[in-house]
Amino acid sequence: QVQLQESGPGLVKPSETLSLTCTVSGAFINSHYWSWIRQPPGKGLEWIGYVSYSGNTNYNASLKSRVTVSLDTSKNQVSLKLTSVTAADTAVYYCARHEAYFHPWGQGTLVTVSS
Amino acid sequence: QSVLTQPPSVSAAPGQKVTISCSGSSSNIGSNYVSWYQQVPGTAPKFLIYDNSERPSGIPDRFSGSRSGTSATLGITGLQTGDEAEYYCATWDNSLSAVVFGGGTKLTVL
Repeated sequence: QVQLQESGPGLVKPSETLSLTCTVSGAFINSHYWSWIRQPPGKGLEWIGYVSYSGNTNYNASLKSRVTVSLDTSKNQVSLKLTSVTAADTAVYYCARHEAYFHPWGQGTLVTVSS
Repeated sequence: QSVLTQPPSVSAAPGQKVTISCSGSSSNIGSNYVSWYQQVPGTAPKFLIYDNSERPSGIPDRFSGSRSGTSATLGITGLQTGDEAEYYCATWDNSLSAVVFGGGTKLTVL
C-alpha cells in the first residue's frame, strides 16, 4: 500500500522560500510521476507541478518562475520549493502520485505565509 | 476562474440520483481522460473515477462517470448523507501543458 506524508514548516515569512517534503512508502519514487497540488483556505484545488521518475519536471505556468519539484531517491522523498512567497501562497499543500489521475494523496499540510 | 466549469452546488434527497457536470474544451476534456475526486471538509481528496468512466477498486458502483465531447459528468445514485462533500473534475490541458481542475461542486444531501 502506497502512502505519502507531507512535512515542513507551517509558517513562512513573506518573501522567503517555502520548502516541503513528501515521504513516500510502499513505492519507489523513481518508478512513478509525483505531483504537488495546493488548496487555499475555502477554495479549490490548484496543480503546482510534477516530477517524473527520471527527474523531468513540468510546472503550472502561473508558478513556474518560483517553483522547483525534485526527487531525493536516497530518502524516497519528493520535495517542493516555492520562492518569494506572499500571503496568496497560504494553502494546504498535498503531494500525490500522478498517473493519468492522482492517487494516492498525502493528508496535506497547511502552510501559512505571515510575518 | 477555472479552466473546467462545474456548478457550484447541487442537492438531492437521500436515495435519489444526482449528476455533476464538468465543461471544458477540445484542448482538455475533448482530448484527454477525466478523473473525479471527492473531498470531505478537512480531509484530502479521494480518487473516485479515472479514464472518464472507470472506478478504482473499493469505489461503489453508485458512482459513475461519462464523457461526451468536451464535457464530463459524474453520477451518484442511491444518495447517502455520507456522500455530502465537494467534488472535483480534473484533466490534462494540451494548450496549457498543465493539469487543470474544475472549481468544485458542493453536494448537499437534503
